[in-house]
Amino acid sequence: DQQVKQNSPSLSVQEGRISILNCDYTNSMFDYFLWYKKYPAEGPTFLISISSIKDKNEDGRFTVFLNKSAKHLSLHIVPSQPGDSAVYFCAASSNTGNQFYFGTGTSLTVIP
Amino acid sequence: NAGVMQNPRHLVRRRGQEARLRCSPMKGHSHVYWYRQLPEEGLKFMVYLQKENIIDESGMPKERFSAEFPKEGPSILRIQQVVRGDSAAYFCASSPLPNTGELFFGEGSRLTVL
Repeated sequence: DQQVKQNSPSLSVQEGRISILNCDYTNSMFDYFLWYKKYPAEGPTFLISISSIKDKNEDGRFTVFLNKSAKHLSLHIVPSQPGDSAVYFCAASSNTGNQFYFGTGTSLTVIP
Repeated sequence: NAGVMQNPRHLVRRRGQEARLRCSPMKGHSHVYWYRQLPEEGLKFMVYLQKENIIDESGMPKERFSAEFPKEGPSILRIQQVVRGDSAAYFCASSPLPNTGELFFGEGSRLTVL
């Protein structure tokens, strides 16, 4: 039962352009959402998060948008850089549960 | 402040042997999560522990797998009588608070079962 879904396994973007990574969820109880970045042979590292009381959170080149009615969130990276090439996981949790639910990841390649 | 430390980074076992994976959370973190990543798949929750307590083990297989987080020492994920399907990367994460706030992940332990 995949409660968090990332339907695009891969994405290629030209350096300097915008990267948009998408994530959908099914559980309306989720109230906290995170994005993680993972390089090969390393553990995921936290990138940015958003609470369900907000619809946007920005941190430098990274912005996360949350659409609660659509149960959809997205991560925008502007401008994209080659060092951004990695696998990006979205995750969700609820304050009534014990887990962070992760999507299957989107592999981003930024082409120089 | 050291991050989440996992060891061993790589472990090779033959079918039927036991695998023990260790995780030392970040200093001050009392919440530990274990995740498994199978090839070409995402991170699957296995178990959530606080010091000396298993809070949620709903993602853990009922047989052969166990986890602990003793008062002193690292959290341990133990897999008995390993099978080839156990080959995966096992990630530990810690958090100072449950559910809210980010998880800090270790670099993972890659188990290969021959």
